[in-house]
Formats: sequence, structure tokens, C-alpha cells
Amino acid sequence: QSVLTQPPSVSAAPGQKVTISCSGSSSNIGNNYVSWYQQLPGTAPKLLIYDNNKRPSGIPDRFSGSKSGTSATLGITGLQTGDEADYYCGTWDSSLSAWVFGGGTKLAVL
Amino acid sequence: QVQLVESGGGVVQPGRSLRLSCAASGFTFSGYAIHWVRQAPGMGPEWVAVMSYDGSNKYYADSVKGRFTISRDNSKNTLYLQMNSLRADDTAVYYCARAGLGGGDGYNDAFDIWGQGTMVTVSS
Repeated sequence: QSVLTQPPSVSAAPGQKVTISCSGSSSNIGNNYVSWYQQLPGTAPKLLIYDNNKRPSGIPDRFSGSKSGTSATLGITGLQTGDEADYYCGTWDSSLSAWVFGGGTKLAVL
Repeated sequence: QVQLVESGGGVVQPGRSLRLSCAASGFTFSGYAIHWVRQAPGMGPEWVAVMSYDGSNKYYADSVKGRFTISRDNSKNTLYLQMNSLRADDTAVYYCARAGLGGGDGYNDAFDIWGQGTMVTVSS
């Protein structure tokens, strides 16, 4: 059971928009920055969003992040088949003194 | 280029030990906290441990506390994970990841650089 809760799967058609939620508590999301990672099969996770809503160099602006209270959201617009992957949220938990990940969301672009 | 390369994985019997290494290149290793993250087959990533840039702070997941030890040698640009009393549920790909982006305190910044991973299989 993950400390951060994500929907197991989401799906949308090419070109459409999808959002992935990540729910936590005051000890993690509520008081720390959230980051989002994309993982393609057989590869290491890749950073998409850091500090709730910032994109590293090279990440297209189709990817966006937001945070409100103890929840965070990843948004992806203009969906492409290449976006099919597993997506994970993560943050520091101040009570656990540990980094925590969400359970992951599998994105299908139908 | 900026990279992390893990090594030391393999097949080990339950109860035995293994030491993983994470070699850094292309950046100032001593300026960054580095994490170990593992991923069991078919599962999501699980955080294992982190050591601050200077080694003064380290934190562990409850699942490995007392069995695993994280350390680093900044003169060799290398991070280590000593794993003792290994169990079947430690079987996973182990990644090291740099805490390189964010407005946090270093060790709680986002993981911007990941290694390719090294597989650890605990089996009799």
C-alpha cells in the first residue's frame, strides 16, 4: 500500500488531454515539493516535473504539474502513442524521513 | 556526459551480503545527495536510502533499516549500498539517482539523473 495514491490506469485518444492525480497528506505533499516521473518498459524512470510544476530542460510543455493542498496532478495534452508509459508521483515525507512514491498510473493512448 | 553507472548486482542466497556501487561522471559528485531506489519485477519504484552530499545525513526505508548501509567516497565519485541479511523480497533492479533539481534541502530534491540499474536476485 503506497503512501501516495494514484489511479491504476487512465486512457484517452491521441491528441486528447489526460490528468493523473496523486493524493497524499500534510506530512508529504502538503508540505513538500512533488515530482513526476515517466517510465517506459525496460528503462529507468525519467523526471518530467519537479517542484510541483516546473519542467526540466528538454521536457515539452505538453506536460504540466499542479498542487493543491495534499493533492497533486500531472496533465498531458496532445497525447501521442509514445506517451504510453507508467507515471509515478513522488515527494519527501517529513514524518517518515523518507522519500515516497505513488503506486503508479498506466497511461493507455487508444 | 552526466551519468550514473551501477554495478555489483547478481544472484545471492538468502541471508548473504552484497555491495552495490554507483559511479558518477560528468558532474561534481560531491555537490549532490544521491539516492538508491529499487524496483521489483512488475512493481513500482520503492525508495531505499539517501545520503547527503557530504555524507552527514542518511535516511533509510523501514524495509531495509538495520540491514542496508549507504555510504559514499567523494574522492572516487562513488556511492555504495552494503546489503546484509538479504531476503527474497529484496529481489529488484537497484537504481541510483541524483537529487539534482528542486527547491528543497538537497536530499529531498527531485531525481533528475538515474542510472541504468543493476539486478539483484535473492534466491536459494
